[in-house]
Amino acid sequence: SAVISQKPSRDICQRGTSLTIQCQVDSQVTMMFWYRQQPGQSLTLIATANQGSEATYESGFVIDKFPISRPNLTFSTLTVSNMSPEDSSIYLCSVGQGSYNEQFFGPGTRLTVL
Amino acid sequence: GQQLNQSPQSMFIQEGEDVSMNCTSSSIFNTWLWYKQDPGEGPVLLIALYKAGELTSNGRLTAQFGITRKDSFLNISASIPSDVGIYFCAGRFYGGSQGNLIFGKGTKLSVKP
Repeated sequence: SAVISQKPSRDICQRGTSLTIQCQVDSQVTMMFWYRQQPGQSLTLIATANQGSEATYESGFVIDKFPISRPNLTFSTLTVSNMSPEDSSIYLCSVGQGSYNEQFFGPGTRLTVL
Repeated sequence: GQQLNQSPQSMFIQEGEDVSMNCTSSSIFNTWLWYKQDPGEGPVLLIALYKAGELTSNGRLTAQFGITRKDSFLNISASIPSDVGIYFCAGRFYGGSQGNLIFGKGTKLSVKP
């Protein structure tokens, strides 16, 4: 499976600021996804990062709050905008490989908003 | 929206014991996946299931895709301390978009004191 890295691994941010999280894959992949995992909770899909077009957002997530870029087949960024303490979570990118639905996850970015 | 009910929520294991957990849904799923997440890490894919009735093993782990297509279970045989962590089931339901996995709330395995 692909090797996935995320930067930063963790950050502590002030309310009202924005943070951009990077996801790098060591091989070209068609599908990349961004998830949120709130403290002690399960994973929720934020959006599918589409290469060359706008990301596809899930219900409850909007582009103004979570803008996503996907400039090529190995890289994507997620920005958490105008942060509040409720945005404190682990943000994970994943990649889909093959024709099935297997997804492989990066190590996550642990965000704390004060 | 679609939801998965995963149980138990938590359990304590003693080395050598067998462990079982399961996931159920109200909708038919065409894919079931089982992940393990260690503290400070992303989830790691353990087993993927694609056909109703399918039984798949990965070492001491065995998972099955329920014949009703609405459930799946994971067994861990002869548990060892490194089995501690949080196990998530995930699936894609019929009609769901590719990549839109629904995750259960997790089963937390801890060592019996």
